[in-house]
Amino acid sequence: SAVISQKPSRDICQRGTSLTIQCQVDSQVTMMFWYRQQPGQSLTLIATANQGSEATYESGFVIDKFPISRPNLTFSTLTVSNMSPEDSSIYLCSVWGNEQYFGPGTRLTVT
Amino acid sequence: DQQVKQNSPSLSVQEGRISILNCDYTNSMFDYFLWYKKYPAEGPTFLISISSIKDKNEDGRFTVFLNKSAKHLSLHIVPSQPGDSAVYFCAASGMAGGTSYGKLTFGQGTILTVHP
Repeated sequence: SAVISQKPSRDICQRGTSLTIQCQVDSQVTMMFWYRQQPGQSLTLIATANQGSEATYESGFVIDKFPISRPNLTFSTLTVSNMSPEDSSIYLCSVWGNEQYFGPGTRLTVT
Repeated sequence: DQQVKQNSPSLSVQEGRISILNCDYTNSMFDYFLWYKKYPAEGPTFLISISSIKDKNEDGRFTVFLNKSAKHLSLHIVPSQPGDSAVYFCAASGMAGGTSYGKLTFGQGTILTVHP
């Protein structure tokens, strides 16, 4: 299984600011995904980030709010822009290897 | 429109007994199904998966059953242990090569509590 790390593990941010979350994988993977888990909710896919192409966003998520970079096969970043309290969530990256594996998550609180 | 549903928010089981977690889906394009276990403040941990061409997959104490005609799957844990207490999510993906391949749709989760 892939080993995935995320930075930061948690952060408290003020509304109107932006936070960039990093995701590092210990092996090269083609397919990488970003999910969000809002308080008391299930996981929802934000976007797919494949190396060499633009990220593709799910309904309800836009690039201006959640810009994504995928510079190589082991790394990706997700930025949460112009944050509001509604963005308080756990943000998770995942990769599709033999199965789909998840990172430990970044717990974001917006005040 | 919730395409993957876990209708039981919680389940309580005695140690050593069987835990059965259920999941229903509505999208017939789903082709691959996975179960995850999640502790608070951690990412989901992959448990077991099943392809739509199978009706059963077993891995140690975990067995997943798929009834494609009923669009229903279940996870059996035997015997249940206190360390199994966590939130369990089922998830579904589209077919390999399709536009939704790898994109997981999750159920709402079931909180499993295993009592010693």
